[in-house]
Amino acid sequence: DAGITQSPRHKVTETGTPVTLRCHQTENHRYMYWYRQDPGHGLRLIHYSYGVKDTDKGEVSDGYSVSRSKTEDFLLTLESATSSQTSVYFCAISESTDRYTFGSGTRLTVV
Amino acid sequence: GEDVEQSLFLSVREGDSSVINCTYTDSSSTYLYWYKQEPGAGLQLLTYIFSNMDMKQDQRLTVLLNKKDKHLSLRIADTQTGDSAIYFCAETENEKLTFGTGTRLTIIP
Repeated sequence: DAGITQSPRHKVTETGTPVTLRCHQTENHRYMYWYRQDPGHGLRLIHYSYGVKDTDKGEVSDGYSVSRSKTEDFLLTLESATSSQTSVYFCAISESTDRYTFGSGTRLTVV
Repeated sequence: GEDVEQSLFLSVREGDSSVINCTYTDSSSTYLYWYKQEPGAGLQLLTYIFSNMDMKQDQRLTVLLNKKDKHLSLRIADTQTGDSAIYFCAETENEKLTFGTGTRLTIIP
C-alpha cells in the first residue's frame, strides 16, 4: 500500500526469542496501529499510537510492547515469542481517524 | 472493546446479489466501514458510511445502515468471481477501528 510498508513480510522464529516488527510510513500521519488477524476473530487491536512517544494498549496487548520514537516508525516487539502469537500482523495509519490505510501484513510463525 | 458480529461464510451464485450483514454495539460510532481482503493480501477499503446516513450507493455496492437496530449491510449486485474475498465491517470508537470477524464470500459458477 502506498505510503506504508511493513517489514519483514514473513518471519519464522523459535519460542522464547524476541521479535520486532517494523511499520514505516511516509505520509506523516499522526495515528499508527498494530492489529493481529486470526481466523474467526477478524482483526484485533494490539497497540496504537497517537503521536511520538504516545502509545496505548488495545484489546490484546499482553505479551507485546511498542515504541514510536519517530513519526514515521512504529515498532511492535514480542519480548518472548509464544506459539499463540503465530498470526498475521497488520499495521495501519490514519490522520483524521476517519480514513485508515493498511500495510500488506507480516506473517509470523512461532515454532 | 465493542463487539461487531458477522456471519463467517456466504455462498452466492455468479450474477446474483450478495448481502453481507453486520451488527455492532457502539451507537456513538461516527463512521462504519466495509473492507475487502483478497487471499494473501492486506485490507482494501471498499466503502464507508457516515452515521447520519441510511444508505450509500457506489456502483455495484449498496450500504444500508439501520441505527435503531445497529445493523449494517453490504449488497454487491451482479456478483462476479473477482468478488471472492473476506469482507470485514468495522466501526470507529475513540479513534480506533473495531472489526467484525469477517465474512468469507464464495462465488458459485
